[in-house]
Amino acid sequence: AQKVTQAQTEISVVEKEDVTLDCVYETRDTTYYLFWYKQPPSGELVFLIRRNSFDEQNEISGRYSWNFQKSTSSFNFTITASQVVDSAVYFCALSEANSGGSNYKLTFGKGTLLTVNP
Amino acid sequence: EPEVTQTPSHQVTQMGQEVILRCVPISNHLYFYWYRQILGQKVEFLVSFYNNEISEKSEIFDDQFSVERPDGSNFTLKIRSTKLEDSAMYFCASSETGTRYTFGSGTRLTVV
Repeated sequence: AQKVTQAQTEISVVEKEDVTLDCVYETRDTTYYLFWYKQPPSGELVFLIRRNSFDEQNEISGRYSWNFQKSTSSFNFTITASQVVDSAVYFCALSEANSGGSNYKLTFGKGTLLTVNP
Repeated sequence: EPEVTQTPSHQVTQMGQEVILRCVPISNHLYFYWYRQILGQKVEFLVSFYNNEISEKSEIFDDQFSVERPDGSNFTLKIRSTKLEDSAMYFCASSETGTRYTFGSGTRLTVV
């Protein structure tokens, strides 16, 4: 069964600090996808990134970067020079095919509440 | 950019009443999902729908729940007799390939 662990329940930083959100996953599949979503106080789920299991290249998008390491089953997310607008709950999620291969449901971690203080 | 539309954004209902949550997925998408998030908790998978039938459902998705795609554009989640513990945010999602998802903005259901 697939599982996603976000050990950090809450993180509080001061603006301009760098912050890393941890994500560890478990899966038996060799083909799977990893995601990060942001949930601001308004409640919607904002897609940040998708990474497939065959692509271990790290990715940078502006102040955001992701470190995917299959050897440790981790997919960590770093925000550089954090801003108050980054305050939100961040979810890591994993999808793998069901046995019939017709469905890739998402399994979410419990989320990390990031608070960036001015 | 195409969107998944959910209505209503907020619904209040009395315990024991039936509710229908509505979703309009992206038109060329083939996979449809409902997820639930109880306040302050993680997002949980409820059900997936592909080729006009349920492809997978979770333990949460018991006989009180049903899904339909009645007219080729809407995708609905019905809760037959709501309980207090059904209070949550319900997210609809759709996918063209089953591996990349677009979420709606959610329906907050409050059962009183």
